[in-house]
This record gives sequence, C-alpha cells and structure tokens, in this order.
Amino acid sequence: QVQLQESGPGLVKPSGTLSLTCAVSGASISSSESNWWSWVRQPPGKGLEWIGEIYHSGSTNYNPSLKSRVTISVDKSKNQFSLKVSSVTAADTAVYYCARQFGGPVDYWGQGTLVTVSS
Amino acid sequence: DIQMTQSPSSLSASVGDRVTITCRASQGISNYLAWYQQKPGKIPKVLIHGASTLQSGVPSRFSGSGSGTDFTLTISSLQPEDVATYYCQKYNSVPLTFGGGTKVEIK
Repeated sequence: QVQLQESGPGLVKPSGTLSLTCAVSGASISSSESNWWSWVRQPPGKGLEWIGEIYHSGSTNYNPSLKSRVTISVDKSKNQFSLKVSSVTAADTAVYYCARQFGGPVDYWGQGTLVTVSS
Repeated sequence: DIQMTQSPSSLSASVGDRVTITCRASQGISNYLAWYQQKPGKIPKVLIHGASTLQSGVPSRFSGSGSGTDFTLTISSLQPEDVATYYCQKYNSVPLTFGGGTKVEIK
C-alpha cells in the first residue's frame, strides 16, 4: 500500500520560506516510471490548487501563479520529495498535500499538513 | 492557462435523486478530465478519470461523460454518504487545474 506523509513546520512567519517534505513508502520514487509526484494545497474552507510536480529524473513543472516562489526537489536516496515556497504571505496559509499522480490524476494523497503564515 | 468552471457551486437534493454536476474548460482538453470527491475533513478521492472511466472501487451510481470542453458528473441515485464537495481537474497539460468545486448536500 502506497503511503505519503508530509512533515514540516506548521507555522511560518510572513516573508519567510515554507518548507515541507513528503516521505513515500510502499513505492519507490526511482522506479515509478509512470508517476509524477506533486504538491496540492487547500486554503481553509476553499478549493484545491495544484502547486507543481516532479519526476524521478528531477524534471519539474510548476503552476505559473506560484512559479517564481516555488521549488520542488527529490531525494531518491531517502525516497522523498520536498516543497519550498518563498516570500510567503497570509494567502499561503493552507493545508498542503503531497500526492502521487498516475498519468495526471492523483491516486494517492498524504493526510495533509496545515501551514499557517503568521507573525 | 486553461480555466475550469464548475456549476453549480452548491446543490441540495433528496436521497434517491439524480444529481448532475457540470465542468467546463475554457479550451478543449480532449478527455483528460478527472473527478474527485472530498468528504468533510477528509482527503480527496478520485472517482473518475479519462472523463468517463470509473476508478476501481467507486460505486456504479457515479458516472462521467463529455469531451472537449464540456463534462458532467452524474450521481444516479444520491445517497447520504455522497455528501461531499466534488472537484473536476484537467490534466492534458500543466498546470493541472482544478475546478472551484460543487458542494452536495442532502435536502
């Protein structure tokens, strides 16, 4: 059974950098030829926003609305991938999900982690 | 970027009713469309991909149709456990945009 688990600070100061890691078990990022690994966020009471994705080769795609502030990276030795969002504001407060995509749609999600941007 | 517009934003229906949710893409996306169900306080779950392919384990009362720019999700007989917010997502190209969601409640 594939499992994803997000970890990272739940509180980030405005203008700071949000950093999260997603640990993957039950599947190998390195050998998942048909999967991309992604981040999705959901502000409290609002809808889903796709942030970006990474392939095991390190290739990335980002949402243009966030591209200038977002970096997604992969650590195949630890079977995990990470998200960084710089220059955060209150508008970045959300539940952040890591996820596995199968040709586009998500088939496995992490449980999500709430990140609040506040001083 | 292609925008995804769902309608209605919310609906209330009786148990046993047929419910239809619409998703419209601002440009053609062929059949690269998925539907998700998110129950209150839970993570999203994929119901349909390829516009009409039911994900394994999803009840047959759920169905999807459409191609190009116009898509529908139909619940043939609404059940109490179907109370949730439903999202469409296009995946023909990045960004993999979600629709704004449709909240389904029981009348």
